[in-house]
Amino acid sequence: RKEVEQDPGPFNVPEGATVAFNCTYSNSASQSFFWYRQDCRKEPKLLMSVYSSGNEDGRFTAQLNRASQYISLLIRDSKLSDSATYLCVVKDFGPSYDKVIFGPGTSLSVIP
Amino acid sequence: NAGVTQTPKFQVLKTGQSMTLQCAQDMNHEYMSWYRQDPGMGLRLIHYSVGAGITDQGEVPNGYNVSRSTTEDFPLRLLSAAPSQTSVYFCASSYGNGGEAPYFGPGTRLLVL
Repeated sequence: RKEVEQDPGPFNVPEGATVAFNCTYSNSASQSFFWYRQDCRKEPKLLMSVYSSGNEDGRFTAQLNRASQYISLLIRDSKLSDSATYLCVVKDFGPSYDKVIFGPGTSLSVIP
Repeated sequence: NAGVTQTPKFQVLKTGQSMTLQCAQDMNHEYMSWYRQDPGMGLRLIHYSVGAGITDQGEVPNGYNVSRSTTEDFPLRLLSAAPSQTSVYFCASSYGNGGEAPYFGPGTRLLVL
């Protein structure tokens, strides 16, 4: 089983739609969680951190369920500019190590 | 701040050649890492460093060397390039051990013929 798994995608949605991405992770000791966005041929960029209480940033809402080892990202009112690949990222760290694991990504295309 | 910078942006090598991919950050981040990204494989960790003078292997370290003599720089060396090393290479950095998210450089596209 992969350490971080995501919906295989691709997701093709019309403008204005709501879309949800799911992610699961295998290491129950993982401590930090993030969603990144990656545009074609560009570097990944941090979209938002994910907190246990859930957090929102404009049209984006992230949720974490530690018991189920599950992370989600909800995008409301999709824009054409949201078209990208979304990466689920899990981090485990300690006094002498810092392990960041990326999911394979889910591709989103927002269609006019 | 320039953030994380990488050079070169593009490189073509012949099999057997060696080269160094440069990575630098000006955010005083302790933690730096190298990833490669291949179609259908996602980002895979090559090597990482938790501070100057300390490096460790990631998931796919074979064929690569790293060193960390300063906090700012973390070069990646390809000892003898192989076609299997054709990829996009990303360098990332973050603050010292903790929950912070890594920041990425713009990447180096490498083609090995």
